[in-house]
Amino acid sequence: DAGITQSPRHKVTETGTPVTLRCHQTENHRYMYWYRQDPGHGLRLIHYSYGVKDTDKGEVSDGYSVSRSKTEDFLLTLESATSSQTSVYFCAISDPLETQYFGPGTRLLVL
Amino acid sequence: GIQVEQSPPDLILQEGANSTLRCNFSDSVNNLQWFHQNPWGQLINLFYIPSGTKQNGRLSATTVATERYSLLYISSSQTTDSGVYFCAVPTGTYKYIFGTGTRLKVLA
Repeated sequence: DAGITQSPRHKVTETGTPVTLRCHQTENHRYMYWYRQDPGHGLRLIHYSYGVKDTDKGEVSDGYSVSRSKTEDFLLTLESATSSQTSVYFCAISDPLETQYFGPGTRLLVL
Repeated sequence: GIQVEQSPPDLILQEGANSTLRCNFSDSVNNLQWFHQNPWGQLINLFYIPSGTKQNGRLSATTVATERYSLLYISSSQTTDSGVYFCAVPTGTYKYIFGTGTRLKVLA
């Protein structure tokens, strides 16, 4: 399995607070992704990175920001968490023209 | 943008039965992935299959890019095959769009 971890694995927070999720890889893959998974919607892309400091928006990026200052880490920040951001968040990594490998997920509850 | 549809949405099998899951996409693609999400939520890559057929044990996948579909075959199903199966196709150089999945339950 690809070496990919996410932290925290579970988090409960209150509306309006900032939250940062971390994705860490040991595989030196170029691309990194953040998805959210909600019932009835499958997996939806939030943001992705195609290199250090190179990021772009996915289909559900409103309310989220990302940063990638080094190859191995990709951070997802909810600037001011809302209840609609309650979800399971998955990080994925890949190289060009290769399959994606997923992290174990972070379950976030915004009260 | 490209649309991805999976069928059937739900499937219940007896252990030992075979099944075929389908993924249709609305535009030409240069690769396609299949994933299995187990009941504990873990997402596992099954196949990266731009075209043709690949096999891995009891699972095989076929992609016919010119006709815009891919099939995932599960033979002699086991209870550990239960979960949700997703296909994903690229929408650009780096991005993928996922189907909403087929939920499979295999009964002992």
